[in-house]
Amino acid sequence: QKEVEQNSGPLSVPEGAIASLNCTYSDRGSQSFFWYRQYSGKSPELIMFIYSNGDKEDGRFTAQLNKASQYVSLLIRDSQPSDSATYLCASGETSGSRLTFGEGTQLTVNP
Amino acid sequence: EPEVTQTPSHQVTQMGQEVILRCVPISNHLYFYWYRQILGQKVEFLVSFYNNEISEKSEIFDDQFSVERPDGSNFTLKIRSTKLEDSAMYFCASSALIGRGGGDEQFFGPGTRLTVL
Repeated sequence: QKEVEQNSGPLSVPEGAIASLNCTYSDRGSQSFFWYRQYSGKSPELIMFIYSNGDKEDGRFTAQLNKASQYVSLLIRDSQPSDSATYLCASGETSGSRLTFGEGTQLTVNP
Repeated sequence: EPEVTQTPSHQVTQMGQEVILRCVPISNHLYFYWYRQILGQKVEFLVSFYNNEISEKSEIFDDQFSVERPDGSNFTLKIRSTKLEDSAMYFCASSALIGRGGGDEQFFGPGTRLTVL
């Protein structure tokens, strides 16, 4: 059974702090990794994707991938109250393949 | 910015009835997907569709489910005889064929909340 595990949370950080979200995956065949943000009652919104080992930065977001450790993380710098949401980690194998999602980590950014 | 659209936003049906959920994927995308999310649970894959046929399906996607691309824009999910446990949010997603050796980014629609009574 291919699984994606996320730190259970909930995670609470003050405004302006760095939020760190973590994810591990069991399928060594996974090639691509995605972070989605999901507000309550809404659909997943893609915020970052990463295919190669190392870091990938996009604005306030940095995704990190370590395939040897089967570990993915998302850092959110200068956290804002509007970042308060559930963050979903997902993995995929090949182009067009299913995504396997984790349970999500609920993040609250306190003003 | 192009986006995936879904109709209806909310569907209420009686157990045993058939429902059809509709999606319009992003226009230049070639892969289409259905996922579902039962309240409080993780997002689960149902089926993927490429080149007018199912490319992959999960164990959830049994004979009660079917998908179709009836024209050049719509992508539908039919549940033939709904059960109480089919109550969930159903998300359509689409992705482009880029072929960089990984799963291409999937963009999700707003979802259809299905309530089976």
